[in-house]
Amino acid sequence: DVKVTQSSRYLVKRTGEKVFLECVQDMDHENMFWYRQDPGLGLRLIYFSYDVKMKEKGDIPEGYSVSREKKERFSLILESASTNQTSMYLCASRGQGIQNEKLFFGSGTQLSVL
Amino acid sequence: AQKVTQAQTEISVVEKEDVTLDCVYETRDTTYYLFWYKQPPSGELVFLIRRNSFDEQNEISGRYSWNFQKSTSSFNFTITASQVVDSAVYFCALRISNFGNEKLTFGTGTRLTIIP
Repeated sequence: DVKVTQSSRYLVKRTGEKVFLECVQDMDHENMFWYRQDPGLGLRLIYFSYDVKMKEKGDIPEGYSVSREKKERFSLILESASTNQTSMYLCASRGQGIQNEKLFFGSGTQLSVL
Repeated sequence: AQKVTQAQTEISVVEKEDVTLDCVYETRDTTYYLFWYKQPPSGELVFLIRRNSFDEQNEISGRYSWNFQKSTSSFNFTITASQVVDSAVYFCALRISNFGNEKLTFGTGTRLTIIP
């Protein structure tokens, strides 16, 4: 079974902490994505990566950075967590080309910043 | 810019009823792709369907069917004879066909509750 694994299901952090959200996929996918999901706002793209060490800003990159040192792992970093970053974070991956349009999602990390 | 509107925030129907989830999209591009994803209580979004802008044929898969109408910029999703397992949040999404543009624009989702 194909799988996208996010390291934590629930996370509680304090304002100002540096936070790492990890995502690993086992499908050898080139493309990986980080979304945040908020009630009434749907899913919004934070960052994506189409190859190792490559990254592109999504629609709401402010306050976040990412790292992709290996193909299977895509990390989202909150340099200094703030309360408005309390949200559900979803990682996704997909292969290349039109025939690989399907996104595979992880189960999400519910982050609470106090 | 692209936009996807799911005007129905929440819908509740009794089991075995049919239900339609609406999706209206906006784009100036002539080539684009439309998607539906299901998010059950477990949280993991699951792909349901992809449609490209050149294919207006309706599609049926078991109890699920999709109606794509370019004239009204809509891509509606119907569940026939609903079941409790259909309870989930459903997202409609749009991607334009620019090389290198991997952004998928999601709607705000419709929470569907099937009452036993």
